[in-house]
Order: sequence, then C-alpha cells, then structure tokens
Amino acid sequence: DTQMTQSPSSLSASVGDRVTITCRASQGIRNYLAWFQQKPGKAPKSLIYAASNLQSGVPSKFSGSGSGTDFTLTISSLQPEDSATYYCQQYNTYPLTFGGGTKVEIK
Amino acid sequence: EVQLVESGGDLVQPGGSLRLSCAASGFTFSDHYMDWVRQAPGKGLEWVGRIRKKAQSYSTEYAASVTGRFTISRDDSENSLYLQMNSLKIEDTAVYYCVRVYSSSYHDSWGQGTLVTVSS
Repeated sequence: DTQMTQSPSSLSASVGDRVTITCRASQGIRNYLAWFQQKPGKAPKSLIYAASNLQSGVPSKFSGSGSGTDFTLTISSLQPEDSATYYCQQYNTYPLTFGGGTKVEIK
Repeated sequence: EVQLVESGGDLVQPGGSLRLSCAASGFTFSDHYMDWVRQAPGKGLEWVGRIRKKAQSYSTEYAASVTGRFTISRDDSENSLYLQMNSLKIEDTAVYYCVRVYSSSYHDSWGQGTLVTVSS
C-alpha cells in the first residue's frame, strides 16, 4: 500500500497568514493527489484534485502543487472559516489511502 | 446539484450484519464509479471500497480490512448505492460516507454520512 504522511499534524496561525501543509507519498503517485477539508461534525469537502486543480467553487486562496512523492497545500491568507482538518489522498493505486490529517487552528 | 444521502446506520452487535444505502440525485448516477469511505470516531478517513460502472461490469475493489465481509452494489435504475456489511467487528464502528468518483478517478462529492456502531 502507498502510505501518505502529512506534516505538521496540527498548526496554529493568525488571520492573514500564509499556511502550507505537506504530504509525502511512500512511492511515486504521479499527480494523483487530492486534498480535502473537514470541519467538525461535517462531511469532508473536496478541494483539489490532480495535485493542483481546484474543485468547482473552491476559492483561489487554496492552491496545490507537487508531483511524484512530495506535495503541498497552501492557503494564501488564512481566514477564520478555514479552521478545519485537511487530508491528502492518493488515488494512483488501490487501496486509495489518506494522510493522517492536519488540524489548522486560528490563533 | 449533486446530492448523496446515506441511510441505514444503526447499533449492531459484533458478528451482525447491516446494509447501508445511498440515494443519489442531481447527476447521471450510472455514469459514475462510486465509493464508500469511513471515519472512526475521532480518527482519520479510510477508503472502504469502489464499484465501477456497467461498462466495467460493475467490478469492485475493497480495502483489505473489509474484503470478504463487505459487498458494494448498486442499482442504476434506482440511483442507489449499497454497502452490505457482514461479520461486523467493533473496529467497523464509524461514520460511513458515500462518495462520487469523477472521471473514474477522483472524489468530488460526499454525502453527509451515516453512523454505524458495533457494540455488545
């Protein structure tokens, strides 16, 4: 199985900060990488697919990059509504696997 | 608007069975692969399995943790997805999400989830 490792596991940042979350795959996954946002008690929301493509309706403050084994999700200007847990996921091979999540809090 | 509505979650004893349903609307259900993803209380996301379209003979894939116990099926005439869960274990306790697969590739739409609790 392809293991997905996210870092950090949690972070606290101020409104307006630029935030970057890293996701590393245990083997190359080309660009078959997605990012999801989950708020407490809610279903996950799809943010990005194919490493860097925004899902419809997702604000442009979210961006993704990377290929192969190393990927990043960036929030350009953190807002209170961005407080959530973010997950990466590889869909290059079965079984699909998720990272452990990064909890983003507002200072 | 894409809507996915899960139902069927319940409290069940270890070793028991349960069938979850997902009612889809707002899109051509038969055109899409569909997945189940689960989340144990306070834990991360775990992919459960996938069912492909008619063109791929409704073939399925499963996580190792559920292979041989869970079965995914679909009824395109009813726009419905199912998850038959047998020989349930305590560690199957989770919220189960129905997820649409776009372009036979990536997840794009999620249901609100249904809670399955396995406990004696």
